[in-house]
Amino acid sequence: SQELEQSPQSLIVQEGKNLTINCTSSKTLYGLYWYKQKYGEGLIFLMMLQKGGEEKSHEKITAKLDEKKQQSSLHITASQPSHAGIYLCGADLPGAGSYQLTFGKGTKLSVIP
Amino acid sequence: NAGVMQNPRHLVRRRGQEARLRCSPMKGHSHVYWYRQLPEEGLKFMVYLQKENIIDESGMPKERFSAEFPKEGPSILRIQQVVRGDSAAYFCASSPNSGSPYNEQFFGPGTRLTVL
Repeated sequence: SQELEQSPQSLIVQEGKNLTINCTSSKTLYGLYWYKQKYGEGLIFLMMLQKGGEEKSHEKITAKLDEKKQQSSLHITASQPSHAGIYLCGADLPGAGSYQLTFGKGTKLSVIP
Repeated sequence: NAGVMQNPRHLVRRRGQEARLRCSPMKGHSHVYWYRQLPEEGLKFMVYLQKENIIDESGMPKERFSAEFPKEGPSILRIQQVVRGDSAAYFCASSPNSGSPYNEQFFGPGTRLTVL
């Protein structure tokens, strides 16, 4: 089974709408990383969360890590076509090398103008 | 400051040939990681290297795959006798240091390998 589950797998929203992407682990995370990937390109680092209850924002994107450090959400406010892409969560998980990021399968976001 | 560079961006090989993928980390980064992204799957860790050392290759297939990060020059991921199942996007990442809690890895654009 997948160690990091992302939901939804894909999402289509109208421009201007808000949306939320979730990332869940059965294990307590040491660190949680959000990346964005455009088709045919590499991963763009968005945010890193480490402490339970931590919340970070950058422009219209907010990421939160729950108190138990097992679930994170990525919220986009007033979505724009430039937000379209694949959002990946990656994590330091116990049992793996601390340098080893484990990734979810990604959430494909489409924003309709 | 240039980011992580990978070349080639696209590579086509016939079954049985060798594939060499190159990765130049960001300036000042001495830790390199290789990941593979198979179609419809998430990124999977393959190997972690520091200069002249393989630290962890637990994610590498046991045969045909090897990686190096020499004292001078880029890191190389080498796949011998490629098979169709090797077709994937291979990403390299680098970091200035490693380990929790600060493990921010910067990714390159990837090399898309297609095996005919």
